[in-house]
Amino acid sequence: EDQVTQSPEALRLQEGESSSLNCSYTVSGLRGLFWYRQDPGKGPEFLFTLYSAGEEKEKERLKATLTKKESFLHITAPKPEDSATYLCAVQAWGGGGNKLTFGTGTQLKVEL
Amino acid sequence: EAGVVQSPRYKIIEKKQPVAFWCNPISGHNTLYWYRQNLGQGPELLIRYENEEAVDDSQLPKDRFSAERLKGVDSTLKIQPAELGDSAVYLCASSPLAGGNTGELFFGEGSRLTVL
Repeated sequence: EDQVTQSPEALRLQEGESSSLNCSYTVSGLRGLFWYRQDPGKGPEFLFTLYSAGEEKEKERLKATLTKKESFLHITAPKPEDSATYLCAVQAWGGGGNKLTFGTGTQLKVEL
Repeated sequence: EAGVVQSPRYKIIEKKQPVAFWCNPISGHNTLYWYRQNLGQGPELLIRYENEEAVDDSQLPKDRFSAERLKGVDSTLKIQPAELGDSAVYLCASSPLAGGNTGELFFGEGSRLTVL
């Protein structure tokens, strides 16, 4: 069974204080690893897809990296508008098709 | 371009009552998903449609949950009768490609169900 574990559960940063969120995964054969952002009362919003170890993707202050066992979401010089819950999900090869298995998320709060 | 539209946004019912949620996906997206998200948890897949066909409903509690996607566009998710443990946010999502894609799902804002 595919499993995704995210840490920390919650993170509070000062504006400009860089940090990283962790996503550890166990999957029979990784087809893709995905990062989503979720604001309160909203549905998740897609950020990145990573397919193979060593791959990196960047978007504004966010950079996602992937190894064979985990992924990191690096946040550089965060701003208050980066406050949200960040969800990691994996997709496995095989009969699951488009099925994504999500972690429980990291709730990020960026303060002035 | 309009996003995924869900209704109602909020629903409060008493246990044993029925409830239905409606989803209109992004135009042209032939894959539609229903997810359930409990408080503090990640979304969990209930059912996935490719056009009108339910291709993955292994996580749908079939004794009380049902879903349909007539004409391969809009979809309805029904719970009858509702139980206290069904309180959650029900998310609908769609994606443009069938049978596997980049994992980029487009989610609606969700329908929050409270069962008293």
